[in-house]
Amino acid sequence: DIVMTQSPDSLAVSLGERATISCKSSQSVLYSSNNKNYLAWYQQKPGRPPKLLILWASTRESGVPDRFSGSGSGTDFTLTISSLQAEDVAVYYCQQYYSAPCSFGQGTKLEIK
Amino acid sequence: QLQESGPGLVRPSETLSLICTVSGGSISSSSYYWGWIRQPPGKRLEWIGSIYYTGRTNLHPSLKSRVTISVDTFKSQFSLKLTSVTAADTAVYYCARDMKHIVASDAFDIWGQGTMVTVSS
Repeated sequence: DIVMTQSPDSLAVSLGERATISCKSSQSVLYSSNNKNYLAWYQQKPGRPPKLLILWASTRESGVPDRFSGSGSGTDFTLTISSLQAEDVAVYYCQQYYSAPCSFGQGTKLEIK
Repeated sequence: QLQESGPGLVRPSETLSLICTVSGGSISSSSYYWGWIRQPPGKRLEWIGSIYYTGRTNLHPSLKSRVTISVDTFKSQFSLKLTSVTAADTAVYYCARDMKHIVASDAFDIWGQGTMVTVSS
């Protein structure tokens, strides 16, 4: 099974500043035949279910603000929030869907400094 | 929308049973599977398994021996049964729409609110 590891476990950022979350997979999630990374990012606010933000490592879902961006390839990925807003306080998870069983990172808790 | 229902407390060694009701769209869509994911307190999300409207299932290997997922297209529902539960099965259980036929694997774009299930005597 592919193990997903996020860093840091928690992060405090000032409003308007950049937040960066890292996700590493224990093996590559890049499918060579289509050059796509099978990596998703989710946002989970307290008491709410996860919300899908990004597919294919960098493709934002419809309605997701453009301050959210994903990057990376192979085994190393990053979620960046360019200018932190109060409503972005949440736990963020990465997930690989390259191979079954799909698997999630342990989560990164993002707070306001 | 998806909505989970079922008991919030299950005794050890018994069977956990949950139902997910799908509304606002067709459970018989050719584009989607329907999945169950759980989140033990303070731990990461864990995919349990997914089902297609035809009844075809994909299950997590570590849970496969204890899990049954079934679908009732007439009621627009799918269900989860987990046998021989222990305290380790205490978790929030989510049902979700699995984009399997869109992304060729398991990613989840619509989630239920989740239901807390505690295993305790």
